[in-house]
Amino acid sequence: GESVGLHLPTLSVQEGDNSIINCAYSNSASDYFIWYKQESGKGPQFIIDIRSNMDKRQGQRVTVLLNKTVKHLSLQIAATQPGDSAVYFCAEVSGNTGKLIFGQGTTLQVKP
Amino acid sequence: DAGVTQSPTHLIKTRGQQVTLRCSPKSGHDTVSWYQQALGQGPQFIFQYYEEEERQRGNFPDRFSGHQFPNYSSELNVNALLLGDSALYLCASSNLLRVVLTDTQYFGPGTRLTVL
Repeated sequence: GESVGLHLPTLSVQEGDNSIINCAYSNSASDYFIWYKQESGKGPQFIIDIRSNMDKRQGQRVTVLLNKTVKHLSLQIAATQPGDSAVYFCAEVSGNTGKLIFGQGTTLQVKP
Repeated sequence: DAGVTQSPTHLIKTRGQQVTLRCSPKSGHDTVSWYQQALGQGPQFIFQYYEEEERQRGNFPDRFSGHQFPNYSSELNVNALLLGDSALYLCASSNLLRVVLTDTQYFGPGTRLTVL
C-alpha cells in the first residue's frame, strides 16, 4: 500500500545551524511531493514542492532533494531560526485528484 | 484575498451525537478536501468534493459524509460520534481542472473536535 514515513520524530538544532529532515516513500510511481510546516494550533502551511523530473528545488532558505533511486526526499533549512520550530510533514500527492498522503511528521526544535 | 476558513474553531460533543463542520475555500479555488488529524499523527484523507460531488474517498466509514455548495464551500458531517473521532479536522482547497490538479492545496486552521 501507499505509505510515506519520516525517519525521526524529533530533531533538535541550535539556532543558526542547518536542519535536515528526511522522508521515505514506498510507491515508486509517486511523482509529486510537498513539504508542509504545521505550527501549534494551525493547519499545515505549504513550504515547497518537487516533481519527479527534478532532483533538487530551492526556495527561500529551504531546499528539497529527491532521490528516486532509494525513494527518499529531504528538506534542508538553512540558518534555522526560532520561528522554524514546528512539525514538518512530507506528503505524496496521489493521482489526479491531489489526494495527499502524509507521513507522521518531524518536530523541529530550535534552541537559542 | 481570504485564505481557507473553517468553523467552528472548537467543538465538544458526546458519543452518539452528530456534528457538522464548515469550510470556505480560498478565493478562486473550486475543490475542497477534508482531512482528519489525530493527535501526534499526520492528516488522513477523508474525501474530496468537486462540482458538488464526492470525487474521491479515503478509508473512512459511511458515518462521514459531506456536501459541496454552488459557491464551492463545503460541509463535513459525522454521525453517531465515537470517542475515536476526536481529532483536528482540516479542510484544504485547490483548483482542479476536471482531471488535473492545477493548484497547490492550501489548508485552513482546522476544527478541533472533542468527543466525550
